[in-house]
Amino acid sequence: AQSVTQPDIHITVSEGASLELRCNYSYGATPYLFWYVQSPGQGLQLLLKYFSGDTLVQGIKGFEAEFKRSQSSFNLRKPSVHWSDAAEYFCAVGVNYGGATNKLIFGTGTLLAVQP
Amino acid sequence: AAGVIQSPRHLIKEKRETATLKCYPIPRHDTVYWYQQGPGQDPQFLISFYEKMQSDKGSIPDRFSAQQFSDYHSELNMSSLELGDSALYFCASSLGLAGVETQYFGPGTRLLVL
Repeated sequence: AQSVTQPDIHITVSEGASLELRCNYSYGATPYLFWYVQSPGQGLQLLLKYFSGDTLVQGIKGFEAEFKRSQSSFNLRKPSVHWSDAAEYFCAVGVNYGGATNKLIFGTGTLLAVQP
Repeated sequence: AAGVIQSPRHLIKEKRETATLKCYPIPRHDTVYWYQQGPGQDPQFLISFYEKMQSDKGSIPDRFSAQQFSDYHSELNMSSLELGDSALYFCASSLGLAGVETQYFGPGTRLLVL
């Protein structure tokens, strides 16, 4: 069955420090992978996505993610975290059954806190 | 750019009442998805529609029904509400199926069942 695992429930980093959020997926076919960010009480904003091609994808707000098929991972990174990055981050895999809707399976999320 | 619109943004209901949530997709988007996010939980897929037909179904209770109209907006109807239905309900839209289209999420409707 398809699944997404985000091993870290909470992460705290200092402002200006680098960040890596982990994501592992389980999916039999070529995955469509996404990272969304959710601020408190807000909707889900797409940070970046991977469908094919270059395994290092760039997103908004200075985020990037690298797809590693051998490790079934799609980790999110940012070289220097800003206080405004504090939010919850969800990794998701798009599941498509031969033309059916590409529903998203989400991980349980990683809550990022940023220390001044 | 226009985004996904959901109404109402907040809704308070009593147990056993009914609720209707509305979703207006991004213009020209023909596919709508509904997700439910319980407190402290990840979003769970409920149901989706493509060109006014149900295209996929997830963990949606039988008490819930949904449809997509000719203008592509969608409504999620919830009956016999239970306390456990309290959640944030997201609608997302995309252009077409085929697996590569990005889903754009609305701000959500926060439902509280008392």
